[in-house]
Amino acid sequence: KNEVEQSPQNLTAQEGEFITINCSYSVGISALHWLQQHPGGGIVSLFMLSSGKKKHGRLIATINIQEKHSSLHITASHPRDSAVYICAVRSVRADGLTFGKGTHLIIQP
Amino acid sequence: DVKVTQSSRYLVKRTGEKVFLECVQDMDHENMFWYRQDPGLGLRLIYFSYDVKMKEKGDIPEGYSVSREKKERFSLILESASTNQTSMYLCASSFRILYGYTFGSGTRLTVV
Repeated sequence: KNEVEQSPQNLTAQEGEFITINCSYSVGISALHWLQQHPGGGIVSLFMLSSGKKKHGRLIATINIQEKHSSLHITASHPRDSAVYICAVRSVRADGLTFGKGTHLIIQP
Repeated sequence: DVKVTQSSRYLVKRTGEKVFLECVQDMDHENMFWYRQDPGLGLRLIYFSYDVKMKEKGDIPEGYSVSREKKERFSLILESASTNQTSMYLCASSFRILYGYTFGSGTRLTVV
C-alpha cells in the first residue's frame, strides 16, 4: 500500500471553479510538500507544511496532523493552473520524500 | 532563486552503455537527491547525499551508483544501461532536510 494517497487522480473543471485536491498519508511525518509539475517535466515546489495553513496567491494548503490529511485548494481556477499536483511527505524515519502518484488537473476555458 | 541544472533534457543511449546524468545546484545546498518518475508509479528515490562524498541508498538503488565529489554537483551513473531504466530522472536539492526542495527540469532517458 502506498504511504501517500491522493484523490482524485484526474480532475477536469471549468475556469473559475474552486478546486480541492486531497492527500492522505499513513506514516508520521516531519513535513508535507505540495508540488506542481507542468507538461515537459519541471517540478515546482508550491508549499512545505508541518502544521496549519499556508496561502500563496490563489493557492491554499492545509494540513491536519492528527487526521494525517492535507488539502490543496485553488480559488478562481484558470487554464494555466492545468498541471499535475503532487503531494509528498518526509517521514520521521527516513530521508528523502515519499510521493503520491499525483492529481492530473485540467481547467477548461 | 536557487537553480538546479540537469545537464541534458533528452538522452538516448544503447543497452550496455555507461551513462552519466549530471546535476548542479548553485546555492550551497547540503542535500541532493536523484529520483526517477514512471507512469503509474510516481517519483521514487534512487540515491541521496547529505554532504560531499556521502551517499545513501534510496528505495530503488539497484543498477545505479552516484558520485558527489563537490558540494554543488551530484552525478547519477548507470553502469550498464538497460531498457527498464528508460524513465524521467529528476534531481533535487535542499539546504537542510527540513527545508523546501528545488527540482531540476528533468532528463528523459531512453535506453534502446
